[in-house]
Formats: sequence, structure tokens, C-alpha cells
Amino acid sequence: QQQVKQSPQSLIVQKGGISIINCAYENTAFDYFPWYQQFPGKGPALLIAIRPDVSEKKEGRFTISFNKSAKQFSLHIMDSQPGDSATYFCAANQGGKLIFGQGTELSVKP
Amino acid sequence: GAGVSQSPRYKVAKRGQDVALRCDPISGHVSLFWYQQALGQGPEFLTYFQNEAQLDKSGLPSDRFFAERPEGSVSTLKIQRTQQEDSAVYLCASTTQGAGGTDTQYFGPGTRLTVL
Repeated sequence: QQQVKQSPQSLIVQKGGISIINCAYENTAFDYFPWYQQFPGKGPALLIAIRPDVSEKKEGRFTISFNKSAKQFSLHIMDSQPGDSATYFCAANQGGKLIFGQGTELSVKP
Repeated sequence: GAGVSQSPRYKVAKRGQDVALRCDPISGHVSLFWYQQALGQGPEFLTYFQNEAQLDKSGLPSDRFFAERPEGSVSTLKIQRTQQEDSAVYLCASTTQGAGGTDTQYFGPGTRLTVL
């Protein structure tokens, strides 16, 4: 079964807009939730991460919101730019190994 | 500094052939992970090593898959008698700390395996 569910599958946003990607999980043993960005032909690269004892983390234009009781977390990209066009994966850490969501293909239109 | 490197970047195999995929982690990184990424999907965990010890191989899909890291640095993922369902990108990642923690995983570019 899918332990980390991600939505939407694809997202189109205008330049300057806000991109929002959502993830939900079941396993309360997960202790760390990173977001990865992947460009075509490249490996995933860490974007931002959060621990479950924190409700929000912001780094530049990227913010993670975390709702422990609902077992949901989301990535917000403010002032989205064409260079942000990539596939984004949420993940959850389980004993050192990452469980990834299915990915969201983001396209930012100029 | 150099990141995680993988070779070959692309591999085409005929069904039934054996393949070997190589991963060079970041120098000094203790833990090494292998993931399989099917087209349009997120990476799925295969196995990981702490130094030369393989601590978890629960994600290996069958006994045709075998991984090793004999000297605690370079790792090889071997797939025997390849099948079409093995077609995927195989990603390697490494971390500075021992496996089991929340250290950042640094990924290589992957090897795209196509089985005909």
C-alpha cells in the first residue's frame, strides 16, 4: 500500500503565483519529512525538510506546513518561477530509509 | 566537491542478461542507499549499507537482485536474468552518518536500465 500519498499529480502555475503540493501519511513512526526536487535526467535533490514536532518551516520562497494530528504536510512555493518547473517529491523517513510520494510535476508558465 | 556518481548512465539489456550498476558515493560517506524509480513514480527503497554491512535489503524485489559494498565505499547493484519489469532508473544515495538517522541523502544522477 502507498504509505505516503501525494497530490496533485501535476500542477500548472503562473509566474509569481503560489504552488501548493500536499502529502498525507499513515505511519506515525515516521520521524522526518523531506521534500526533494528532481529535474529531468537528474537525481532528486533535497529542497527543505521538517520534523514532526514543528508545525512550519520556511526557507526562502519554500515553506513546509505540517499538521501532525491530521498526518498531513504540504509544500508551498511562493513567487513561483519558471526555473522551479520540476518534479517534486515528498518523503517520510523510516529508520533511515525514505518512503517517497508519487511525485508532482510542476510547470510554471512565464 | 564531487557528488555521488553512477555508471553507466544508460544501460540496455536483452531479457535474461545480467547487469551490474556502479555507485561511487561522496568520499567519506558512511551510509549508501539504492532506490528504484519507475517511470513517472517516486523512488522506492531497495537496500542500504552502513560501511560494508548491508543492514536492510527488504526492498529488493526478488532474489535476482543483489547488492554489495565490499570495502565500504563503492557499491554495485547486480541484477541477474533481467526481466522487462526491471526497466527503471536505479538511484544511489549516500549520507555522512550511519544508517537509521535523518541525515540528508545525497542522490546520484541514476542509471536508466532498459530491458528489451
